Amino acid sequence: DAGVTQSPTHLIKTRGQQVTLRCSPKSGHDTVSWYQQALGQGPQFIFQYYEEEERQRGNFPDRFSGHQFPNYSSELNVNALLLGDSALYLCASSSSIGTGGLNSPLHFGNGTRLTVT
Amino acid sequence: DAKTTQPNSMESNEEEPVHLPCNHSTISGTDYIHWYRQLPSQGPEYVIHGLTSNVNNRMASLAIAEDRKSSTLILHRATLRDAAVYYCILRDPLLTQGGSEKLVFGKGTKLTVNP
Repeated sequence: DAGVTQSPTHLIKTRGQQVTLRCSPKSGHDTVSWYQQALGQGPQFIFQYYEEEERQRGNFPDRFSGHQFPNYSSELNVNALLLGDSALYLCASSSSIGTGGLNSPLHFGNGTRLTVT
Repeated sequence: DAKTTQPNSMESNEEEPVHLPCNHSTISGTDYIHWYRQLPSQGPEYVIHGLTSNVNNRMASLAIAEDRKSSTLILHRATLRDAAVYYCILRDPLLTQGGSEKLVFGKGTKLTVNP
């Protein structure tokens, strides 16, 4: 049973460029969330996609955008990259079925390490 | 903002029990207590969660204080593979707007296991 897969694993971009990160959720999961983790910090919530719509959003600027496809996979796009965007980007999936998502454990991928120079 | 307080680091010896504390004095009646851990170079991994009663699973036990203002994650016999950052998180399912409620991570407790 494949878990959450993210691509690429590592990425180096230049300030001002745009980047797209990809995530395939665990089989059977329909909800995808994205988190940013700076070095030495806990992950910070960016946004969540459910039914192909952004349902929740954290305190991140509009440069961060996303998309969810009919097969539940998701993309995170970051425009006009800043040096401070360098971080580990984590994708997490969960299921809204059964308990309706209440307390449904999140399954995380191993992330994409983005370095902005 | 994280609503929990954890020690920055703890150390244990292999095959000994480990008790990881978490304070959550402002917990609401509908908050569940969740624990995740993050092994080096990996994403966070769900460990356990509970509301009021103590909980056990194959990974760990969760002991919740009677007033729910604190909890303790118990690893019964630590192994080298348990070396990770452990996060204690409050999660209110009533705030779910479809999908599932976001997780608010603090800095967690870095557990070192000595051989």
